[in-house]
Amino acid sequence: SAVISQKPSRDICQRGTSLTIQCQVDSQVTMMFWYRQQPGQSLTLIATANQGSEATYESGFVIDKFPISRPNLTFSTLTVSNMSPEDSSIYLCSVERGGLMETQYFGPGTRLLVL
Amino acid sequence: AQTVTQSQPEMSVQEAETVTLSCTYDTSENNYYLFWYKQPPSRQMILVIRQEAYKQQNATENRFSVNFQKAAKSFSLKISDSQLGDTAMYFCAFMNTNSGYALNFGKGTSLLVTP
Repeated sequence: SAVISQKPSRDICQRGTSLTIQCQVDSQVTMMFWYRQQPGQSLTLIATANQGSEATYESGFVIDKFPISRPNLTFSTLTVSNMSPEDSSIYLCSVERGGLMETQYFGPGTRLLVL
Repeated sequence: AQTVTQSQPEMSVQEAETVTLSCTYDTSENNYYLFWYKQPPSRQMILVIRQEAYKQQNATENRFSVNFQKAAKSFSLKISDSQLGDTAMYFCAFMNTNSGYALNFGKGTSLLVTP
């Protein structure tokens, strides 16, 4: 499995502000993914972050609200912009590993509360 | 679109007993992957087991095994010799690699292992 870290682990933010979440992997991976887990809910994919190209967003998620960077093969950021209380969630990054593109390992998550 | 259904919101089992968590899915694809993930309280998602749809043999990982019934589109998880540390939220997930590597998650089953 991969060693994946996320920063910050949790944060409390005011509405209208933005927060950038970092995801760092201990080795190079081709694909990184960002998921959202709203309180008491399952996980929903926000976007796929590929190095050297624009992120691919799922239906219901847009780049202006969730800009993503992928500067290299071990790092990605997700920004939650112009936050509202509805953005209060756990945000998780995941990576494929070991050539098994279809198997994803998750980071510890970032717990976000928007007041 | 693929859907994943977990019909048991909550389950409990006594330590050392066996428990089976249900999962059904809907897809028109023939090649796909199925997963069970575990999310302990306030902790990260952990991959428990994976199953390739093209394999008839059911996957096994130590005390965890699956009963994969492709025709019935069923993918249940059996936990043998349950331990207190198995207490967690369990998510069933589906991936169709023909449409990317997004994981589609069920709503989860909360499992409580009691002494």
